[in-house]
Amino acid sequence: GAGVSQSPRYKVAKRGQDVALRCDPISGHVSLFWYQQALGQGPEFLTYFQNEAQLDKSGLPSDRFFAERPEGSVSTLKIQRTQQEDSAVYLCASSLRRRQLASQETQYFGPGTRLLVL
Amino acid sequence: GENVEQHPSTLSVQEGDSAVIKCTYSDSASNYFPWYKQELGKGPQLIIDIRSNVGEKKDQRIAVTLNKTAKHFSLHITETQPEDSAVYFCAARSGYALNFGKGTSLLVTP
Repeated sequence: GAGVSQSPRYKVAKRGQDVALRCDPISGHVSLFWYQQALGQGPEFLTYFQNEAQLDKSGLPSDRFFAERPEGSVSTLKIQRTQQEDSAVYLCASSLRRRQLASQETQYFGPGTRLLVL
Repeated sequence: GENVEQHPSTLSVQEGDSAVIKCTYSDSASNYFPWYKQELGKGPQLIIDIRSNVGEKKDQRIAVTLNKTAKHFSLHITETQPEDSAVYFCAARSGYALNFGKGTSLLVTP
């Protein structure tokens, strides 16, 4: 079946521009995560949604970062007034959370959006 | 918060040899430990995972061991093949998020 998809795959922005990154999770997956991966590093958690509710945004680096998932499926990560240090790969992951299971579900990752801020 | 350390950062083996990657974690509440393989330009792909109530798990050439007392877990790849060349990440989960190590770049030479 279809996996997690992300668009665009590549984005070049001038410093100060706003960008919007889209994530389409696997159909039926309740949980959605955003991670930031700097070059040569492991992914770092940004934020977590369960359906449309944003339950954890502790990893967002500044108030320039905003994420939403208004209908509980597609999610958008928005970065306002981009800066060079925002250059990274932004990964989206989704998981199928069933109420009767503990929070040990597998996260499936998309291919990522590579953002370059000039 | 959780801190995951991963070693080595690079590993080069000959085809057919075994490869071992080790990780330690700090949060005793972590209860889920996946391993991901990431190829250039792609997202991480789960290759194996282990829950905290299990000490070892094997899937064909890949095995993972977990020592909860010592807070460390390891990935073992046997009979390595050139297509195993990639960056491997360990992760530990406490709460919602996965906390990743910095990755191991594995090179398998023919």
